[in-house]
Amino acid sequence: SQKIEQNSEALNIQEGKTATLTCNYTNYSPAYLQWYRQDPGRGPVFLLLIRENEKEKRKERLKVTFDTTLKQSLFHITASQPADSATYLCALDMSHRDDKIIFGKGTRLHILP
Amino acid sequence: NAGVTQTPKFQVLKTGQSMTLQCAQDMNHEYMSWYRQDPGMGLRLIHYSVGAGITDQGEVPNGYNVSRSTTEDFPLRLLSAAPSQTSVYFCASSPRGGTNEKLFFGSGTQLSVL
Repeated sequence: SQKIEQNSEALNIQEGKTATLTCNYTNYSPAYLQWYRQDPGRGPVFLLLIRENEKEKRKERLKVTFDTTLKQSLFHITASQPADSATYLCALDMSHRDDKIIFGKGTRLHILP
Repeated sequence: NAGVTQTPKFQVLKTGQSMTLQCAQDMNHEYMSWYRQDPGMGLRLIHYSVGAGITDQGEVPNGYNVSRSTTEDFPLRLLSAAPSQTSVYFCASSPRGGTNEKLFFGSGTQLSVL
C-alpha cells in the first residue's frame, strides 16, 4: 500500500529563516501532491498543489518542489513568521488510480521569535 | 457560504451504541470523504464518494458505513461504537474533475466512546 513519510514530527525554526519540510512516498507517484495547514482544533486548510509533470510551484512566501524520481516533495516557507507555526500536512491525490487522497502524519512547525 | 458543515461538534457514546455523523456541503462538489485523526497518526481515510450513489472504502473502513443519496450529504454511521473509534472525524469535499482539486474540510466532530 502507498506510504507517506513527513520528515519529522516537529521542527523549530528561527523567525526570518526559511523552513523546509519534506514529504516522501513509496510506490506510485500521485496525479497531484498537495500541502495543507492545520491549526489546533481546526480542519486542514489547502495551501498549494503541484502536478506530477510540474517541478516547482510558488505562492507568495511558499514554494513546493516535486521530484517523481526521488519520490519526494519539499515545502518551503521563506521569511518565516511566528504566525506560520502550525502543523503542515502532505497529501497524495491518487485520482489517476483509485480517487483516494491520502495524508502523511504531518510536521509541527514552530517559528521561534 | 457555509462550505462543509459537520454535526455534532462533540459526542460521547457508550460502547455498543450507534450514531450517525452528519456532513453536508453547499458547493455542489461531486467528491466527498471522511477522515479520522488520532494523535501521531495523521489523517486516515475511512470512506469516500465520487458522486451520488457511489461510495468506496478508504484505508480504515472497518466499523463504519456510508451512503450518498444526494450530492450534498455524506453521513458516516457507526453501527456499534467501540473505544478504538474515539477520534476526531473530518469530512471533506472537492469539485474534482477540473483544475481545482483541493479538499475543503469541515470543522470536525470530536467523538469519545466509553
